[in-house]
Amino acid sequence: QVQLQESGPGLVKPSGTLSLTCDVSTYSISSSHWWSWVRQPPGKGLEWIGEIYHAGNTNYNPSLQSRVTISLDKSENQFSLKLNSVTAADTAVYYCAATIVGTTKLDYWGQGTLVTVSS
Amino acid sequence: EIVLTQSPGTLSLSPGETATLSCRASQSVSSRYLAWYQQKPGQAPRLLIYGTSSRATGIPDRFGGSGSGTDFTLTISSLEPEDFATYYCQQYGGSPLYTFGQGTKLEIK
Repeated sequence: QVQLQESGPGLVKPSGTLSLTCDVSTYSISSSHWWSWVRQPPGKGLEWIGEIYHAGNTNYNPSLQSRVTISLDKSENQFSLKLNSVTAADTAVYYCAATIVGTTKLDYWGQGTLVTVSS
Repeated sequence: EIVLTQSPGTLSLSPGETATLSCRASQSVSSRYLAWYQQKPGQAPRLLIYGTSSRATGIPDRFGGSGSGTDFTLTISSLEPEDFATYYCQQYGGSPLYTFGQGTKLEIK
């Protein structure tokens, strides 16, 4: 059972950069998982943002690709999300999630963190 | 992009009844790549079903999935009070890699 915990500022100014970190416990970030970010605007559905593998491979949602960077820190056993040029439309609960390599589902989820974009 | 359309938007049923939730894809989806999640208010989604019909670890057998091609179904038999939640279908393999349906809210009648 992979345990995930998001952290980061809950308030970001418009045009700024949203930065979140996901701490991974019980498994090494170099284990056989893809590490994803998913977001959910208040009262709305789920949107996959992107994923990273410990070898550095990434896949992004084309709708966000120009503004998103996902990276990982093996020494801290965590991975991160940066979303730049944010607007109010980026206000959402942001979840980190994990997929077992070779499968096509989001097996484990963090509890989520609300990020509000407002001046 | 593969668009998933879930119906109905809201389903009102009583405990003990059977819920049938639909997920229709805009193009054919491999049955290996269709999953369902349950989400309760204030909580993260939880994986229920993967590969169209395989239950995730710890999921009771009153949850069942079926379908193929563009039409998939989640069936919940003998509804328990804890089953009232929002359910999302998810596909893998298009662009973006993961897309979700808009959700079906299952509420107590």
